Amino acid sequence: DTAVSQTPKYLVTQMGNDKSIKCEQNLGHDTMYWYKQDSKKFLKIMFSYNNKELIINETVPNRFSPKSPDKAHLNLHINSLELGDSAVYFCASSQEGPGRGNEKLFFGSGTQLSVL
Amino acid sequence: GQNIDQPTEMTATEGAIVQINCTYQTSGFNGLFWYQQHAGEAPTFLSYNVLDGLEEKGRFSSFLSRSKGYSYLLLKELQMKDSASYLCAVKDSNYQLIWGAGTKLIIKP
Repeated sequence: DTAVSQTPKYLVTQMGNDKSIKCEQNLGHDTMYWYKQDSKKFLKIMFSYNNKELIINETVPNRFSPKSPDKAHLNLHINSLELGDSAVYFCASSQEGPGRGNEKLFFGSGTQLSVL
Repeated sequence: GQNIDQPTEMTATEGAIVQINCTYQTSGFNGLFWYQQHAGEAPTFLSYNVLDGLEEKGRFSSFLSRSKGYSYLLLKELQMKDSASYLCAVKDSNYQLIWGAGTKLIIKP
């Protein structure tokens, strides 16, 4: 069983469209994250949820809206897609919240988003 | 600003040893992580250091010097499957993870 699964793996869409990426973890973790990895390979945190509550919300355009229906799911909805949104988006989870020093992240396999 | 520096790319030979360096300047320090990321795949956890010294885990070891803002990942007995990017990440005083861009390691037969 995949620990952190996200769908779709690839997403090709036109500018201006709205799209969603889904993420589910079966590890029983309390905290989930969305990361963006750009073409230079830097990983940047976008959002973090702990037990369905938003705890980290970095400077991200409000076209990006995370939704956590329960602590095992964290979906990412993106409105009015722009060319600059093209990147790989990773979902991740951890046993404890980001306030602990040593929490290890478990990543999903990523969603390659290409906006044309 | 906060900064993590790693070499962009390194090449090594199968069976050899390679050391990947990471230097950091962050506001505070609450631990340093190394992750491995194969092309097109998710990063996977390799090691965590919060105290100075060497942590050994099989063929991989990670070293930390907090006073120098420096860490390295040492890979021994290199195998072809070790070809991947190696990401260094530091937790700052707010427990935010700051990531380096990664070092792409190429293993040649």
